Amino acid sequence: AQSVAQPEDQVNVAEGNPLTVKCTYSVSGNPYLFWYVQYPNRGLQFLLKYITGDNLVKGSYGFEAEFNKSQTSFHLKKPSALVSDSALYFCAVRDEITGGGNKLTFGTGTQLKVEL
Amino acid sequence: GAVVSQHPSWVICKSGTSVKIECRSLDFQATTMFWYRQFPKQSLMLMATSNEGSKATYEQGVEKDKFLINHASLTLSTLTVTSAHPEDSSFYICSAAGQTYEQYFGPGTRLTVT
Repeated sequence: AQSVAQPEDQVNVAEGNPLTVKCTYSVSGNPYLFWYVQYPNRGLQFLLKYITGDNLVKGSYGFEAEFNKSQTSFHLKKPSALVSDSALYFCAVRDEITGGGNKLTFGTGTQLKVEL
Repeated sequence: GAVVSQHPSWVICKSGTSVKIECRSLDFQATTMFWYRQFPKQSLMLMATSNEGSKATYEQGVEKDKFLINHASLTLSTLTVTSAHPEDSSFYICSAAGQTYEQYFGPGTRLTVT
């Protein structure tokens, strides 16, 4: 079975400071990892993904994430936070060898709040 | 990029009535569509997976007779909430996937049952 953990319900950061949103995962095979962002009453917007290759993945809006196989982590980062980054962030994983097609398992979400 | 639409974006219905939500992939053919439910400040809960032309696969605990899913074409899937009750009020989100592993999400539908 595949699972994702986002240990922080909320992360607060000052604008201009770096931000990190944590994610750890558990899969049987190789993981496909994703980050999505959700604004109030909206669907999910794709930020970035890791499938294979470089452990550092760069995505939309200046976000990046680092895949760490030994720590089974895929933390989302941004060097300089903006107030407009305030939103709900979801980490998701798909097991390479799972059945059921492209089924994703989502974390519980982390609310990011960026303040002036 | 791939675009997925949902209609309606919000709906209010009376208890006991049925509501249909449409999910469309606008610029690609979706071999698989997913339906999620999200409660306030909570994660997405997968309800069912549907493949074009076949019956949907429901997750454990989801009543298939209550949440009817039809995936009649490669660009359209529908979710019908039958005999809706206030506890069915939620945010319903669909996603669509083509031949790759990526899911593209719709903007969601807010259902309120009074």
